[in-house]
Amino acid sequence: GAVVSQHPSRVICKSGTSVKIECRSLDFQATTMFWYRQFPKQSLMLMATSNEGSKATYEQGVEKDKFLINHASLTLSTLTVTSAHPEDSSFYICSARRGGQTRQETQYFGPGTRLLVL
Amino acid sequence: DAKTTQPNSMESNEEEPVHLPCNHSTISGTDYIHWYRQLPSQGPEYVIHGLTSNVNNRMASLAIAEDRKSSTLILHRATLRDAAVYYCILIKGSGTYKYIFGTGTRLKVLA
Repeated sequence: GAVVSQHPSRVICKSGTSVKIECRSLDFQATTMFWYRQFPKQSLMLMATSNEGSKATYEQGVEKDKFLINHASLTLSTLTVTSAHPEDSSFYICSARRGGQTRQETQYFGPGTRLLVL
Repeated sequence: DAKTTQPNSMESNEEEPVHLPCNHSTISGTDYIHWYRQLPSQGPEYVIHGLTSNVNNRMASLAIAEDRKSSTLILHRATLRDAAVYYCILIKGSGTYKYIFGTGTRLKVLA
């Protein structure tokens, strides 16, 4: 099966610093990756859609200058939380789609990254 | 985006069947119905999907109403490891196929 990894699995940082989270598709090429945020006891909220080699498409209300997304290769997308604040503390999850995938095919989710901003 | 409605929570006894309902009255003819589940502190995990016909796999069965406005995920024998939040998601027929998660159903399995 297709595997998606995230690194780090958890990170603690000081307020005002930037944090980078990596999402990798380990055994397939992912032309599209998605980034989600999940607060405790809540559902996943889609933040942005990332296509390899092009700019990410952000959902309404998500600050693109704060959440920088780079999808430089077919197996790696990164999310950088810039100038993190305590309210950015959350569980960040990525998912990936294979190239040429149809709508009936599943997305593959990473295990998530727990961010705590002090 | 087509919306899905699920009960917030359900309980089941271990080794009994569980029927998790989902309403999607605004579904269009080309939308696929996908089910995922999320175990605590993990990313979502694929369970099953379908379009019109009922589907079975090793994890579960999916029963789709004839008018497609609702579906039911069936776990034939719930185990403690099935305790999770179950999400029903509609996948549109075009575009980037992004997933819009609803609130999901938190399933509690009692020993």
